Amino acid sequence: KNQVEQSPQSLIILEGKNCTLQCNYTVSPFSNLRWYKQDTGRGPVSLTIMTFSENTKSNGRYTATLDADTKQSSLHITASQLSDSASYICVVSDRGSTLGRLYFGRGTQLTVWP
Amino acid sequence: EADIYQTPRYLVIGTGKKITLECSQTMGHDKMYWYQQDPGMELHLIHYSYGVNSTEKGDLSSESTVSRIRTEHFPLTLESARPSHTSQYLCASSEFGRKGLPLANYGYTFGSGTRLTVV
Repeated sequence: KNQVEQSPQSLIILEGKNCTLQCNYTVSPFSNLRWYKQDTGRGPVSLTIMTFSENTKSNGRYTATLDADTKQSSLHITASQLSDSASYICVVSDRGSTLGRLYFGRGTQLTVWP
Repeated sequence: EADIYQTPRYLVIGTGKKITLECSQTMGHDKMYWYQQDPGMELHLIHYSYGVNSTEKGDLSSESTVSRIRTEHFPLTLESARPSHTSQYLCASSEFGRKGLPLANYGYTFGSGTRLTVV
């Protein structure tokens, strides 16, 4: 069964600190892995997308890593800001779909305190 | 700079009313999707479309219906709203399968969502 598991479920950090969010998946055959940021009551916004051959990708203070062998990914946030408070969703796509089918994790709810 | 638009953002409506949630995209994407999301839960696919005149049901059973008469427009309709329909509805589109585009690297964009409350 294709699944995406994220940890931790929620996380509170102080402004300026770094943090790392985890994602494990069983989706096969693998096509790509995306990290989205979703503010409360809004739609998800893409942060990074990585294909099978990519190990790391950065977008400003966000750095995603991918280990396709162990089927794990992480999202590292550097020097957190109050505006980073949001849900971070790991999304994996399979190669067998003609639809561009996505499998979603439940997200990690990040709260940044001043 | 969202290129996919959903209206209304919030809707509170009484039981039994008919509602239509609007979704439009300006990117020329063939593939469009509707997701349902409850607080703290993952997104569930309820409808999708490969292109004009194509509509399919997703993984999560839904009493809603969709139509795709134009490429850019993918509205969702509930004929008779019930409190169990209270949820956030997200529309998305993707360029997956576009000619010349790598299959593994394609844009997938979400709208801002409609928060529906049925009382």
